[in-house]
Amino acid sequence: QSVLTQPPSVSGAPGQRVTISCTGSSSNIGAGYAVHWYQQLPGTAPKVLIYANNNRPSGVPDRFSGSKSGTSASLAITGLQAEDEADYYCQSYDSSLSAHVVFGGGTKLTVL
Amino acid sequence: QMQLQESGPGLVKPSETLSLTCTVSGGSISNYYWSWIRQPPGKGLEWIGYIYYSGSTNHNPSLKSRVTISVDTSKKQFSLKLTSVTAADTAVYYCGRALQGEADAFDIWGQGTMVTVSS
Repeated sequence: QSVLTQPPSVSGAPGQRVTISCTGSSSNIGAGYAVHWYQQLPGTAPKVLIYANNNRPSGVPDRFSGSKSGTSASLAITGLQAEDEADYYCQSYDSSLSAHVVFGGGTKLTVL
Repeated sequence: QMQLQESGPGLVKPSETLSLTCTVSGGSISNYYWSWIRQPPGKGLEWIGYIYYSGSTNHNPSLKSRVTISVDTSKKQFSLKLTSVTAADTAVYYCGRALQGEADAFDIWGQGTMVTVSS
């Protein structure tokens, strides 16, 4: 029961484009709080892919992009590669009850 | 390059207190928000709470009053105490640095430490 809703899994063939959605509400994404995206490879700590909706840290390939609209955000991955197979999480901030950091439930990306 | 390292017991008994420390190296602890995040086996990420270097804190309301986060700037460390633990608190515990503000992305993470709650 995550505050931010992500699909449990997505898949795509090498070279294809996939998107992962992150749906929130008027107390988080819809309130204007930024959305951040992480990639987590098995057995490792998450790594930030996108910060503040659509910004890539240095070193992150431009195959990864983020967008935000209304109460939702999306992570797009183009030119899928085998090494993209991982878990992806969105993160934002929620102002209901007491303001706090919230994560999506995570999406497992399988490269076919 | 800044690095974070979690440390603490890997096994805690039910009803006892989980205590972890995160040590900051390769940079200053000042002017950042420092968080604890956990991940139960096979599950997603859960934010536990943060502390600003000056000492102000915030935590996940779902954990109610079980969480205490403190900072020791002289040692470049911040710590987590989670009281009255149960098996549901079994998880990999990560410490992380927020890029600029409390709602910002975590740009630096520790490697994580597994904590099991069991008698």
